[in-house]
Amino acid sequence: KQEVTQIPAALSVPEGENLVLNCSFTDSAIYNLQWFRQDPGKGLTSLLLIQSSQREQTSGRLNASLDKSSGRSTLYIAASQPGDSATYLCAPSRGGANNLFFGTGTRLTVIP
Amino acid sequence: GAVVSQHPSWVICKSGTSVKIECRSLDFQATTMFWYRQFPKQSLMLMATSNEGSKATYEQGVEKDKFLINHASLTLSTLTVTSAHPEDSSFYICSAPDRVHSHEQYFGPGTRLTVT
Repeated sequence: KQEVTQIPAALSVPEGENLVLNCSFTDSAIYNLQWFRQDPGKGLTSLLLIQSSQREQTSGRLNASLDKSSGRSTLYIAASQPGDSATYLCAPSRGGANNLFFGTGTRLTVIP
Repeated sequence: GAVVSQHPSWVICKSGTSVKIECRSLDFQATTMFWYRQFPKQSLMLMATSNEGSKATYEQGVEKDKFLINHASLTLSTLTVTSAHPEDSSFYICSAPDRVHSHEQYFGPGTRLTVT
């Protein structure tokens, strides 16, 4: 069964700092991997989707990389803002129509 | 991107009653939907896979007679928590993959269930 680990569990940074969130997964036979943010008591907002054949994906200040063979993905956030404060989840999938596997996420706090 | 809605967003019910939660894909068809449960400060755990026109597939440890799933159309799946107990209080979230375009998974806003 796929196990997902995210490090650190919590992170607090001053506004404007660049930061990296790490995700590792045990089964490298993935189809794609998504990064989400979850605000307290809310659902999930999709940030980036990386297909297994891709190495990275960018959206605005966010850049996600994928090293499938080593079972790792990173999410880079540039010039962090207080509005970025949330829990960030990475979730690999075995197939396009298959469920996602989640870790416990990284809780990010950006201090104004 | 695609939109998935859930209703209700929160519900409080008494122990022993049943609660139905709806999950709808608003602008795409979803032959498959997934139901997750999330306890406070924990990860999302898959409960079951909902398949349009056929029986749902439940994860190990999830009682199929307690959590009834019906996927009656290509845009609607329902989860009914029968004879709810306080330990069923949780955040229930559904998702649906957009299989036509990117295979990206879209999540509903979640339903907060509190059983008293």
